Amino acid sequence: EVRLLESGGDLVQPGGSLRLSCVASGFTFTRFPIHWVRQAPGKGLEWVSHISEDGRGTYYADPVKGRFTISRDNSKDTVFLHMNSLRAEDTAVYYCAKRGDIVGQKFNDWGQGTLVTVSS
Amino acid sequence: EIVMTQSPATLSVSPGEGPTLSCRASQSVSNKLAWYQQKPGQAPRLLIYDASTRSTGIPARFSGSGSGAEFTLTISSLQSEDLAVYYCLQYNAWPLTFGQGTRLEIK
Repeated sequence: EVRLLESGGDLVQPGGSLRLSCVASGFTFTRFPIHWVRQAPGKGLEWVSHISEDGRGTYYADPVKGRFTISRDNSKDTVFLHMNSLRAEDTAVYYCAKRGDIVGQKFNDWGQGTLVTVSS
Repeated sequence: EIVMTQSPATLSVSPGEGPTLSCRASQSVSNKLAWYQQKPGQAPRLLIYDASTRSTGIPARFSGSGSGAEFTLTISSLQSEDLAVYYCLQYNAWPLTFGQGTRLEIK
């Protein structure tokens, strides 16, 4: 069974930093790129970042570019999202997600999410 | 950035009806369009990918169509468990972008 388990969400002050983790199991981790998607309370879905299978390719949404860094440790089946200079508008549930076995099946599998709250 | 616009924002339907949800892209995304269903407190679920292909285990009452910049999701006969928010996603170009969602409600 495919599982994605996020952790690291917390209450942090504006300007602070946080590192989220996404631990994967139930599939060959090195075959799949991983994404982060977030959802502010009561709002819609927003794609945040992507990392390729080997970790060499990354993409970011404009609102987080320069502040967030995505990385992965393929020896530990884990993807990280390093978040710096956090703002109130970064408050959201953060999900990690992967495609299905077919390339077009974007975000076929999701974790349960981890809540990041940015507030003083 | 490609802007995805969904309409309507809210759709009130009766059980058994066949609602149609729309998603428009600000430029062509070819067929790189997916639909997701999200229920309260849950992660989204992939319904349709490549504009018209049902994902694994998705009931046949869900169908997607369109290409280029205009897409639709149709539910042929609404069931109570279909009440949710539906999102479209374009994955033809970076950054990936979602529509703002359409909420299905019982009339």
